[in-house]
Amino acid sequence: ETGVTQSPTHLIKTRGQQVTLRCSSQSGHNTVSWYQQALGQGPQFIFQYYREEENGRGNFPPRFSGLQFPNYSSELNVNALELDDSALYLCASSPTGPGVSEAFFGQGTRLTVV
Amino acid sequence: QKEVEQNSGPLSVPEGAIASLNCTYSDRGSQSFFWYRQYSGKSPELIMSIYSNGDKEDGRFTAQLNKASQYVSLLIRDSQPSDSATYLCAVGILTGGGNKLTFGTGTQLKVEL
Repeated sequence: ETGVTQSPTHLIKTRGQQVTLRCSSQSGHNTVSWYQQALGQGPQFIFQYYREEENGRGNFPPRFSGLQFPNYSSELNVNALELDDSALYLCASSPTGPGVSEAFFGQGTRLTVV
Repeated sequence: QKEVEQNSGPLSVPEGAIASLNCTYSDRGSQSFFWYRQYSGKSPELIMSIYSNGDKEDGRFTAQLNKASQYVSLLIRDSQPSDSATYLCAVGILTGGGNKLTFGTGTQLKVEL
């Protein structure tokens, strides 16, 4: 059984640019959530996808958007990057649909905006 | 008021001792509770989940939940240097058609030789 994988692992972007982060969910998991973790903080919920639809969103602006594909993999897109977007971006997959269940994280993508 | 609160630490315990990590949460509608371990520069790793009041044991780890007091704790018995990490408390909350985990800022644990 493969775990959650994210790509790339590290990324440096310039302020104002756009970025796409990718996530492959764990085998058998159909729900994917994205989190942002700033240094010294806990992860903050960005949004969740279930059956290719957004299924809950945290307090993030619309320039944060996402997709889920039929194979349950997912993308996080961030437009008009700001310096404060520098963080560890975490993808987590869960084995059930909407509802509270255990979430397993990928290794994360470290985004640096300069 | 923060939704999930943890003491940031560091909490220092000697090798072989019991480490006790605590967490309080504000939303009484919370339905599930998790402890994650995060090593520096790595992603969170799920170590315990608990859904009902009482204790749940898994190896050296015991999670305790008291919904009336809105309190979750994690006990680590026979602490080892490899347990040195940041421990994140997460609370599962259903929100309008979706669900999200709300995390505390984490407690740094140091197990000393």
